[in-house]
Amino acid sequence: GQNIDQPTEMTATEGAIVQINCTYQTSGFNGLFWYQQHAGEAPTFLSYNVLDGLEEKGRFSSFLSRSKGYSYLLLKELQMKDSASYLCAAMDSNYQLIWGAGTKLIIKP
Amino acid sequence: ETGVTQTPRHLVMGMTNKKSLKCEQHLGHNAMYWYKQSAKKPLELMFVYNFKEQTENNSVPSRFSPECPNSSHLFLHLHTLQPEDSALYLCASSHGGLAGEAGELFFGEGSRLTVL
Repeated sequence: GQNIDQPTEMTATEGAIVQINCTYQTSGFNGLFWYQQHAGEAPTFLSYNVLDGLEEKGRFSSFLSRSKGYSYLLLKELQMKDSASYLCAAMDSNYQLIWGAGTKLIIKP
Repeated sequence: ETGVTQTPRHLVMGMTNKKSLKCEQHLGHNAMYWYKQSAKKPLELMFVYNFKEQTENNSVPSRFSPECPNSSHLFLHLHTLQPEDSALYLCASSHGGLAGEAGELFFGEGSRLTVL
């Protein structure tokens, strides 16, 4: 079956760095996506990785290892506004997104 | 303003009611989606429309009926729902191409549905 695993909840301190991990098992693979969802709001697209390596976009970076079925989202210089759920999704061979249940990130002052 | 607008934002209905959720996208996208989001569960894809044609129906019960009159509008008609159907229903759109474009979804704020 197809599956995405990510931690349910993480806590970090303002100004610090946090890494949210995601492992995936899909029938075929066409890329890995990260979304951010603040409480009561719509998910918003953060990143897309299809090749191995690190993609950096400001304070956020996303990494992919296709051979390990593994990705992480790295958030630097954490701000209180980064408190949100982070959704990992892998695209399978049918171009369908397989979603994880999300990681709730709590930022403390 | 996200470019995808959903109404109503909140809906309470009895099991015998008929109601509809509406979604409109102003982004010129070709694909539109209905997702169900329940607490602590992955997003569940319900329906997909590409160029107004339904391309996915993920074993959704017939009490949920989608309608896509044009590429900018999407409806979800609700009839004789069950309490376990209470959830956040999210509409999304994308360019509908392959891989990167198809996976970059633009979501509406969602319709919070409570079935009594």
